[in-house]
Amino acid sequence: DAGVTQSPTHLIKTRGQQVTLRCSPKSGHDTVSWYQQALGQGPQFIFQYYEEEERQRGNFPDRFSGHQFPNYSSELNVNALLLGDSALYLCASSFWTGESTDTQYFGPGTRLTVL
Amino acid sequence: DQQVKQNSPSLSVQEGRISILNCDYTNSMFDYFLWYKKYPAEGPTFLISISSIKDKNEDGRFTVFLNKSAKHLSLHIVPSQPGDSAVYFCAASGRGRGTGNQFYFGTGTSLTVIP
Repeated sequence: DAGVTQSPTHLIKTRGQQVTLRCSPKSGHDTVSWYQQALGQGPQFIFQYYEEEERQRGNFPDRFSGHQFPNYSSELNVNALLLGDSALYLCASSFWTGESTDTQYFGPGTRLTVL
Repeated sequence: DQQVKQNSPSLSVQEGRISILNCDYTNSMFDYFLWYKKYPAEGPTFLISISSIKDKNEDGRFTVFLNKSAKHLSLHIVPSQPGDSAVYFCAASGRGRGTGNQFYFGTGTSLTVIP
């Protein structure tokens, strides 16, 4: 049973560029959440997708956008990259119980460096 | 506004002894709490969770205690093993109770178990 997978593993971009990160959820999961983890900090919630729609959003600007596909996989897009966007981007999948999400399981992350 | 706090950035414990990691939260709407373990270059791995209807949950060497009145939870690892050396994150969620479905994370405690 494959767990949560993310691609690419590492990415180097320059300021002003755009980036797309990808995530495949754990088998049986239908909800994908994205987190940003800066160095020395805990993961910060970006947004959550369920049934191909953004269900909830954290305190991140509109430069951060996402998408969920019919097979539950998801993409995170960041436009107009800033130096401060350098971080580990984590995808977490879970199963929607009807009232809330169950335990979230994380992928290995994508390390984004903005120069 | 850090709603989940881990005030000890690091902890060192001798192999075989007990490790106690602490976490405080401020939002009384939180009703589901989790601990994640993170090794370098990997995503957080789910360890153990507890619902607010309980005050204790055990899973092998790991026990989580919840004190709702103090808004405090702790993770006990007994006996500690060198393989437990990692960063431990505490997380909380309101599971739809007004805080949405996102998980709020602390900043982590780096545990070192000395052989």
